[in-house]
Amino acid sequence: AAGVIQSPRHLIKEKRETATLKCYPIPRHDTVYWYQQGPGQDPQFLISFYEKMQSDKGSIPDRFSAQQFSDYHSELNMSSLELGDSALYFCASSSTEGQTINYGYTFGSGTRLTVV
Amino acid sequence: KQEVTQIPAALSVPEGENLVLNCSFTDSAIYNLQWFRQDPGKGLTSLLLIQSSQREQTSGRLNASLDKSSGRSTLYIAASQPGDSATYLCAVSPYNTDKLIFGTGTRLQVFP
Repeated sequence: AAGVIQSPRHLIKEKRETATLKCYPIPRHDTVYWYQQGPGQDPQFLISFYEKMQSDKGSIPDRFSAQQFSDYHSELNMSSLELGDSALYFCASSSTEGQTINYGYTFGSGTRLTVV
Repeated sequence: KQEVTQIPAALSVPEGENLVLNCSFTDSAIYNLQWFRQDPGKGLTSLLLIQSSQREQTSGRLNASLDKSSGRSTLYIAASQPGDSATYLCAVSPYNTDKLIFGTGTRLQVFP
């Protein structure tokens, strides 16, 4: 079965550079989420999109932005990178099938971003 | 504000033992609760999903229960194996929000 695909798997950037992470959700999933997991920490919610519209926002820095495209893939853009942005970035998708309840989240394998 | 806590933070057991991992949450207004497994530096693998109307779910050697009114869930692992060694995270999906709120995790080590 198709899973959530994230690219790249690993990324090394220098301070003040820009990074773009990509996420391809499971087909027919209508919601995409981005999470950040720092070393030794639990995942923290950044932002989500439902049917290509931003649906919820968490602790996402102003330097970060995200969008979901017509094919439902999503990109997380990170500018003016700081050392503290080094983390695992996860994308997840879910299906609500038009209802308020969802049927669980499926996570991608993550992108490990290292800022040097 | 929803807070999710997991006990114990770490657990080391010999192979073959039956284990119970605990998860508690402060606000019972949730759609569902999900248990995940995470290997070091890897992604999150979903183990079990319990909807708010359900009391338990089972998959192989895993059984998860949910008592929404008391804000508790347990993950029971039967006949543990070294391959079960990982961090186990529970997460709740609160009403009126998309985000998952994760617990702090239980780091499990099963030795031969």
